[in-house]
Amino acid sequence: DTAVSQTPKYLVTQMGNDKSIKCEQNLGHDTMYWYKQDSKKFLKIMFSYNNKELIINETVPNRFSPKSPDKAHLNLHINSLELGDSAVYFCASSQEGLARGGTQYFGPGTRLLVL
Amino acid sequence: AQKVTQAQTEISVVEKEDVTLDCVYETRDTTYYLFWYKQPPSGELVFLIRRNSFDEQNEISGRYSWNFQKSTSSFNFTITASQVVDSAVYFCAMVSGGSYIPTFGRGTSLIVHP
Repeated sequence: DTAVSQTPKYLVTQMGNDKSIKCEQNLGHDTMYWYKQDSKKFLKIMFSYNNKELIINETVPNRFSPKSPDKAHLNLHINSLELGDSAVYFCASSQEGLARGGTQYFGPGTRLLVL
Repeated sequence: AQKVTQAQTEISVVEKEDVTLDCVYETRDTTYYLFWYKQPPSGELVFLIRRNSFDEQNEISGRYSWNFQKSTSSFNFTITASQVVDSAVYFCAMVSGGSYIPTFGRGTSLIVHP
C-alpha cells in the first residue's frame, strides 16, 4: 500500500499554462507539506497544512496555491507556469508538526518541466 | 538562524568499504531535531533516522550507524561494508524547536562501485 502518493509522476507543459498536482496520504497523519527540489537537488519547503489549516507559507509566489479538501489530501495548483518552476515537487506528511520534530514521509515526487 | 552543512558533495568508494557522511548543524535553540534521508537514483526520499537534541545516544541499524555529538554540532552517518544499493544522495536536515521551517543540507552523493 502506498503511504503518500502523488499524481501525476511527470508533467510537461508550456509556459503560461495552469496545472495541478494531487497528493494523498493514507497514514492518518494530521500534517502535510509541499517541497520543491531544484536541479541542484536543493530541497525547500513551500507549504505546510495541519488538519486543513495553512501553517507554513514559505515566501512562495502567489501563482502557487495549495488546497486541502480534507486532512488526507493536499493539492498544489500552479497558475501561469514559468520556466523557473521546472523542478521536482514532493508531497510529504507527518503525524506531529515540524516544531515537535515530526518525521516526514515523502511521496514519490512529480517531475515538472515547463517548456 | 539555522544551517546544515554537508561539506562532502560527492564520495566515491568501492563495495565493502566503510564510508562516513558528515553533517554539521548550527542553531541557537536548545531543542532541535535532526534527520537523515536517502534519495536513490529512482528519486524518492526515504526517511532513515530522527534524533532530538536531548538524546545523544548513537544509533545502529544493520550496516548503518549514526554518531550525534553536540560538542561538535555534528550528526554523522556511517555505512559499514557499503553495497552498490547504497548509491544515493543522502540529506541531513534539521528543525529547531523554535521554528516550523526545516533546513536541509545540500546532500552528499555517494557512489559505490562494484
